[in-house]
Amino acid sequence: EAGVAQSPRYKIIEKRQSVAFWCNPISGHATLYWYQQILGQGPKLLIQFQNNGVVDDSQLPKDRFSAERLKGVDSTLKIQPAKLEDSAVYLCASRSITNEKLFFGSGTQLSVL
Amino acid sequence: AQSVAQPEDQVNVAEGNPLTVKCTYSVSGNPYLFWYVQYPNRGLQFLLKYITGDNLVKGSYGFEAEFNKSQTSFHLKKPSALVSDSALYFCAVTRRGAGSYQLTFGKGTKLSVIP
Repeated sequence: EAGVAQSPRYKIIEKRQSVAFWCNPISGHATLYWYQQILGQGPKLLIQFQNNGVVDDSQLPKDRFSAERLKGVDSTLKIQPAKLEDSAVYLCASRSITNEKLFFGSGTQLSVL
Repeated sequence: AQSVAQPEDQVNVAEGNPLTVKCTYSVSGNPYLFWYVQYPNRGLQFLLKYITGDNLVKGSYGFEAEFNKSQTSFHLKKPSALVSDSALYFCAVTRRGAGSYQLTFGKGTKLSVIP
């Protein structure tokens, strides 16, 4: 089966600019997660969707980060304006409601200069 | 709150020798535990999980892990290491029954298998 697709693969921007990441989960997976992985650390959950609704966004810095999953399939994560500390790999993961296993995409590596 | 500790930043092992990557966890209630592996410039790949039942779980590529409730540990093991096992390994936990499967990850352990 096709995996979780993410784009772009790499992104370099200057601080205070905006950036958006896209994720297409595995077909049929109702649950979608965005994780932030800073170099040398484990992934940290930013937001979880169930279909097109937000389950948990308690760790999302809402003053600058936003995410949506309008049709319950693809999702977009946006940062505006970006800060130097946002440099990280942004991972998207999806899961079917019948399985505990998360499937991860390859991630988007963001560098903020 | 839930947390995972991986006490070793790096583990070095000779090819053919057994390997162990350590993980301890903290969670309210009973845990679901996972191991994921990350190769350079790749996303995380699932290795194995403990949900319930037998404390020894077997996963992909010959890896296994033992759940120890009294020590709150879930160490990853393999009887004979391969050079291709060299990667970054993450342990993760979520609370059983929470339904959301929001995984909390450790900081990762870099495994280097020396030929």
